[in-house]
Amino acid sequence: GQSLEQPSEVTAVEGAIVQINCTYQTSGFYGLSWYQQHDGGAPTFLSYNALDGLEETGRFSSFLSRSDSYGYLLLQELQMKDSASYFCAVLASGTYKYIFGTGTRLKVLA
Amino acid sequence: DSGVTQTPKHLITATGQRVTLRCSPRSGDLSVYWYQQSLDQGLQFLIQYYNGEERAKGNILERFSAQQFPDLHSELNLSSLELGDSALYFCASSEGLEKTQYFGPGTRLLVL
Repeated sequence: GQSLEQPSEVTAVEGAIVQINCTYQTSGFYGLSWYQQHDGGAPTFLSYNALDGLEETGRFSSFLSRSDSYGYLLLQELQMKDSASYFCAVLASGTYKYIFGTGTRLKVLA
Repeated sequence: DSGVTQTPKHLITATGQRVTLRCSPRSGDLSVYWYQQSLDQGLQFLIQYYNGEERAKGNILERFSAQQFPDLHSELNLSSLELGDSALYFCASSEGLEKTQYFGPGTRLLVL
């Protein structure tokens, strides 16, 4: 089957750097996306990796290594408002099904 | 505000009933996606439409169906509702098969 695994919870302090990992088992996909979801809110797009390597968007960066079946989201200069759930997602090639990861709840402490 | 609208915001109904959730995509977006998110769970992809045609189907139950109309709005029909269908249902849209999906605020369904 196809699955994306993430740590269930990560805790960090304001101003710190945190990395949220996403390991996957899927036969093929077009790219790895990351979404943020605050409690009670809708997911919002953060970042996308079509190719291996690092993509930087402000305080957020995302990395993909297809050979290692692994990606991560890096959040720098953490702020309280970054407390949310973060999901990785892929569009499976062939079936065009979107597969979302299990989600990581990030808690930022003052 | 993503530009995607969903109605209703909340829906309370009884087991065995049928409901219809509605989604209007962002202006210009041809793709519409439907997701189910149960309490403290991830997003489960249900189905995708592109310009009126079904594009991809995920873990959508046979009791559920969807369609996209010529004006590109979409409806998700849930029938013979069960307690376990209680969840947040999100609609998202994109121009095509791009990386970025824009999510609506969701419809919270409670089946009693």
